[in-house]
Amino acid sequence: QVQLVQSGSELKKPGASVKVSCKASGYTFTSYAMNWVRQAPGQGLEWMGWINTNTGNPTYAQGFTGRFVFSLDTSVSTAYLQISSLKAEDTAVYYCAGLVASDAFDIWGQGTMVTVSS
Amino acid sequence: EIVMTQSPATLSVSPGERATLSCRASQSVSSNLAWYQQKPGQAPRLLIYGASTRATGIPARFSGSGSGTEFTLTISSLQSEDFAVYYCQQYNNWPPTWTFGQGTKVEIK
Repeated sequence: QVQLVQSGSELKKPGASVKVSCKASGYTFTSYAMNWVRQAPGQGLEWMGWINTNTGNPTYAQGFTGRFVFSLDTSVSTAYLQISSLKAEDTAVYYCAGLVASDAFDIWGQGTMVTVSS
Repeated sequence: EIVMTQSPATLSVSPGERATLSCRASQSVSSNLAWYQQKPGQAPRLLIYGASTRATGIPARFSGSGSGTEFTLTISSLQSEDFAVYYCQQYNNWPPTWTFGQGTKVEIK
């Protein structure tokens, strides 16, 4: 079936980097865009941006430029989110989400908790 | 940047009652509006897209309406599994951008 499976929880120190993976299955990976969404503890959903899975071209939402990088490995149908120079305020659950059967986010990964603490 | 405002922040409803959630856009988004349900510890689930089209597998008690700047999600008869947080989201086709509202928590009265 169509699904997105993300990598496991991460505990990082401030200043470190983290790379979250999102593996797609059940559909043609390069046919549909991949989005990233952040949810800080007890807070709402925040769209971070998207990556064109056909061209690899990323687009970042306001507030997610500079330290955030979206990338792909189409050979394994996987999208990546890398965050560098981690800060405590980056502590959040990060979701990947795709648009496969509609023009909204109809498939979601299970989320990856990233905790930044010294 | 389009801002999405949901109201109320919290809605207390008894099982079997009707729930009406509102979402307002700071400028017209046409019918490019989606609704999601999120339960604790789970990823969001798409309920409605195109303002009024139910996603696959979504029960008929969920309905969406509106266009332009004013939208409504109605749950006709709340079931125990419907108590959750609901988010609206606008999407602009080009350049592709998406914006979420801050959410409405539907709790048991």
